[in-house]
Amino acid sequence: DAGVTQSPTHLIKTRGQHVTLRCSPISGHKSVSWYQQVLGQGPQFIFQYYEKEERGRGNFPDRFSARQFPNYSSELNVNALLLGDSALYLCASSLVLAGNYEQYFGPGTRLTVT
Amino acid sequence: AQSVTQLDSHVSVSEGTPVLLRCNYSSSYSPSLFWYVQHPNKGLQLLLKYTSAATLVKGINGFEAEFKKSETSFHLTKPSAHMSDAAEYFCVVSEERGYQKVTFGTGTKLQVIP
Repeated sequence: DAGVTQSPTHLIKTRGQHVTLRCSPISGHKSVSWYQQVLGQGPQFIFQYYEKEERGRGNFPDRFSARQFPNYSSELNVNALLLGDSALYLCASSLVLAGNYEQYFGPGTRLTVT
Repeated sequence: AQSVTQLDSHVSVSEGTPVLLRCNYSSSYSPSLFWYVQHPNKGLQLLLKYTSAATLVKGINGFEAEFKKSETSFHLTKPSAHMSDAAEYFCVVSEERGYQKVTFGTGTKLQVIP
């Protein structure tokens, strides 16, 4: 079975631009979460989506938004990019919304903002 | 409040000697606890999880962790380190809040010396 996939692998953008990152969950998984991992730190929770609705949001500005599609894939959008947005963006999928279910992570998208 | 503290940012062990990676957590709820490993340029892989069943949890690749509620700790151990264990390890706490509220520790980089 395919794991969580993310695209693109790497991305270079300029300050002020917009970026869209994509994630496909494991087949059968209905929940997708997004994380930001700055170099040298642990991942920080951005969003969790379930059944196309935002169910949880971390402490990130409104420049960050996301959506989930009927096939459970998801997009993360970041507007007005700042240098500090440079990070590895990780997508994780899980079977259900909450409970004790582990999350399965994709390889990430490395975003560099210049 | 939910938080995770990984007490060592770097741990260095010789191949064949025991590994101990320390983690303390804080949670207002009955949390689930996880350990993930991240090899360079690879995604996060689940090592093991605690979900209020047995306090001693066995994971993959010979790792195990013991949940100690009185000490709010969830330390990761392995009897004998292998060169392939060199990676970054993250302790994670998760609470069910209508969504999966997840907090990662800052990570411990494990170096294995031949």
